[in-house]
Amino acid sequence: KNEVEQSPQNLTAQEGEFITINCSYSVGISALHWLQQHPGGGIVSLFMLSSGKKKHGRLIATINIQEKHSSLHITASHPRDSAVYICAVPLYSGGGADGLTFGKGTHLIIQP
Amino acid sequence: DAGVIQSPRHEVTEMGQEVTLRCKPISGHNSLFWYRQTMMRGLELLIYFNNNVPIDDSGMPEDRFSAKMPNASFSTLKIQPSEPRDSAVYFCASSPDRYEQYFGPGTRLTVT
Repeated sequence: KNEVEQSPQNLTAQEGEFITINCSYSVGISALHWLQQHPGGGIVSLFMLSSGKKKHGRLIATINIQEKHSSLHITASHPRDSAVYICAVPLYSGGGADGLTFGKGTHLIIQP
Repeated sequence: DAGVIQSPRHEVTEMGQEVTLRCKPISGHNSLFWYRQTMMRGLELLIYFNNNVPIDDSGMPEDRFSAKMPNASFSTLKIQPSEPRDSAVYFCASSPDRYEQYFGPGTRLTVT
């Protein structure tokens, strides 16, 4: 089974700062997911990526398959970015249809 | 599209009672996943279905938990009898392609 390590667990930053959240996993995967969970609990999928880099607005996700590592970056952070960010990968090696296993999440607070 | 629909959104019940959580996946999606989120363990996979067939139920904590998917548009997760340690948020997610996952709003279960 795959295992996911995410860091940092908690991050407080000032508005405008560049934010980086890291994720490492233990076995090969077909795709990695970055999820966002706001207070109130809904989970939104931000990115699914299997190689290289993806960008959506101020959010950038990168993945290095060889190193089994991914990063989520937020540029020009804003208080509305405050949320829990969760990295997830397939539970089993090579699995795509399998369910996901999740990191513990990064609790991000952006202060005005 | 209405997204993944879960009901009820909140459930408070007494220990020993039967609890049934319901999920309607997005039309056309052929994979459905049940996840549980607790403060201690974070998000974890309970069971998933592909084309209405249970594929992996190894995450179901014990025999008190059961899940069914009688057709492509409906799934239930049942806990009988419920215990206080079952208190958690239960998420249902569906997928069109065995990779991308769309999460429902979750059911917050409290067992007293």
